[in-house]
Formats: sequence, C-alpha cells, structure tokens
Amino acid sequence: DAGITQSPRYKITETGRQVTLMCHQTWSHSYMFWYRQDLGHGLRLIYYSAAADITDKGEVPDGYVVSRSKTENFPLTLESATRSQTSVYFCASSESGTSSTDTQYFGPGTRLTVL
Amino acid sequence: SQQGEEDPQALSIQEGENATMNCSYKTSINNLQWYRQNSGRGLVHLILIRSNEREKHSGRLRVTLDTSKKSSSLLITASRAADTASYFCATDLAYSGAGSYQLTFGKGTKLSVIP
Repeated sequence: DAGITQSPRYKITETGRQVTLMCHQTWSHSYMFWYRQDLGHGLRLIYYSAAADITDKGEVPDGYVVSRSKTENFPLTLESATRSQTSVYFCASSESGTSSTDTQYFGPGTRLTVL
Repeated sequence: SQQGEEDPQALSIQEGENATMNCSYKTSINNLQWYRQNSGRGLVHLILIRSNEREKHSGRLRVTLDTSKKSSSLLITASRAADTASYFCATDLAYSGAGSYQLTFGKGTKLSVIP
C-alpha cells in the first residue's frame, strides 16, 4: 500500500531487551523523522534523517539508535529498553526538509510498553 | 523544548457549535502549521499559515496568526462529531549548518464534539 507504515503496531518487551521499530514510506521522501508521544509532553523528536546514510539527533536521542541504508526505510532501535521508553512512537516523512513549508506525513504509530 | 503551547488543553462542545483553539509560541517563526490526531492514529496536516499572512481559510477551518503576540488560533465552524480529535500546532525551527527545518509540536488541544 502507498503511504507510510509502521511495524509492529503494538509491542511489549522487557527491560534490557533490544527492540527495533520499523518505518517504511513509498513516496521516496528525502526526510524521515521519529517522534515519541507521551502524556504531558506532546510530540518530541528523537532522530531525523535527511537522506540515506544521513541521520542526526533530535531533542531526545539518548537510548535510541537509527540507521537509513535505503531511502524508504528508517528503523529505530532501542538497544537496551528502559521503562521510561514506554511510549507511542511515530514515524513521519516529508518531501524535503529544506523548506519550512514542508508538510510532514505521519505513520499510524507503534505503542511500545517496556515492563 | 516546547515551542508551541495550545490552549485550552481540552474543549467539549455540542455539534454545530464553533470550536476555537489557541497556540502561543516563544520565538520568531517562518510558518505555523496545524495538525489533527484522531484517537489511536497518526497526525494529519490541516493547514499552514506563513508568517506574513494574518488569516487563512480551508473549508470549515479558519486560522489566524498574530506575530506581534506570537499566537495563532484555529477555528472550526459548525463542528461535527467527526471533528473529535486532538489538535496540534507546529512551528518551524531552523537548524544551522544543515539548513534543514524541523517542526516543534505543542501538547495539543483535545476537542470533543458531542452529537
């Protein structure tokens, strides 16, 4: 299907385990983003990527790792999950990140629970 | 850091009434965007207003921007039950060096439209 998809939609894991959240977009957008959404904090940017093999930190990058070997995929890895990483994670993409008029297109989200 | 802050945090109205949500921000912006998030879904772009615009319309949506007060408002006229959602303002932050723009989201206003 066209658009931006995330998998899994729901994930329960245990403290200390490694977890990878997947994001895939079919528009060939240059920019991709990972946000987390928590009550009382709104959306906060974790990492973003300007193109394949180009990534940079956002507001809350600690404990997360990203990679982008292909334009269409932008996985987010929690190397050693902690309870504070329980959240809803959203992936987004935009055609270009070089204009402030760019619209971001969001995936449906992954609800992650760390026990 | 939170750039935009929506007000009120929650709003409950009857179907057919108008709904007004406000957004205040701290630093100068180029553009301001409004997004909607239905429960359990990703954010969807509604409208963008540039810093040199004072008002913009899209269907039942009316957005105003007052750069002197660093505030924006979103008006939804003749609300419907389907408008029940959270609404977020997003402002741009220019990053030096890479020349890329990113959006900073507020915490949102939760709108409930009662049939």
